[in-house]
Amino acid sequence: KQEVTQIPAALSVPEGENLVLNCSFTDSAIYNLQWFRQDPGKGLTSLLLIQSSQREQTSGRLNASLDKSSGRSTLYIAASQPGDSATYLCAVDYGGATNKLIFGTGTLLAVQP
Amino acid sequence: KAGVTQTPRYLIKTRGQQVTLSCSPISGHRSVSWYQQTPGQGLQFLFEYFSETQRNKGNFPGRFSGRQFSNSRSEMNVSTLELGDSALYLCASSLEWNTEAFFGQGTRLTVV
Repeated sequence: KQEVTQIPAALSVPEGENLVLNCSFTDSAIYNLQWFRQDPGKGLTSLLLIQSSQREQTSGRLNASLDKSSGRSTLYIAASQPGDSATYLCAVDYGGATNKLIFGTGTLLAVQP
Repeated sequence: KAGVTQTPRYLIKTRGQQVTLSCSPISGHRSVSWYQQTPGQGLQFLFEYFSETQRNKGNFPGRFSGRQFSNSRSEMNVSTLELGDSALYLCASSLEWNTEAFFGQGTRLTVV
């Protein structure tokens, strides 16, 4: 069964700290992996898409890495700000003629001012 | 460039009723996927449409159905509503297969 897990479920850090969010997937035959942010009661905002052939992707203060062999991805957030507070979700696309995403359980991040 | 638009944003329905939700994808995108989000189950895939054809379906009862029009706009319908159908319903738009997914703001459905 294809499952995606995120650890930790919740994280609270002081402003300015660098932090890492983890995503694990049971089936390593992924096509790509996408990181999203969700604010309370809102939709998902795409942060980074990393293809299976890539090792990492960067956007501003965000850096996502991918290690297919170990079934892991990490999202690194540098110099965290209170505005980064949200739930972060990773989602795996296993390819084929489908856009179905399998989502992780999410990490609720609180950045304290 | 306009994002993914879902209407309505909020709905309150009574058990046994039916409901139709709408999703307009990003212009030029041919794929629309639907997800249900609940606190207990997280985000679960409902179904997806590509060029008006249902390509994949999740593990939901037949009360959940959908369709896609020639302009790529999609609707999903839930008949005979149950309390457990209360959830945030999210629509995602993609250009082609296995490309970046962009989500709408969702429709919050409450069944009373």
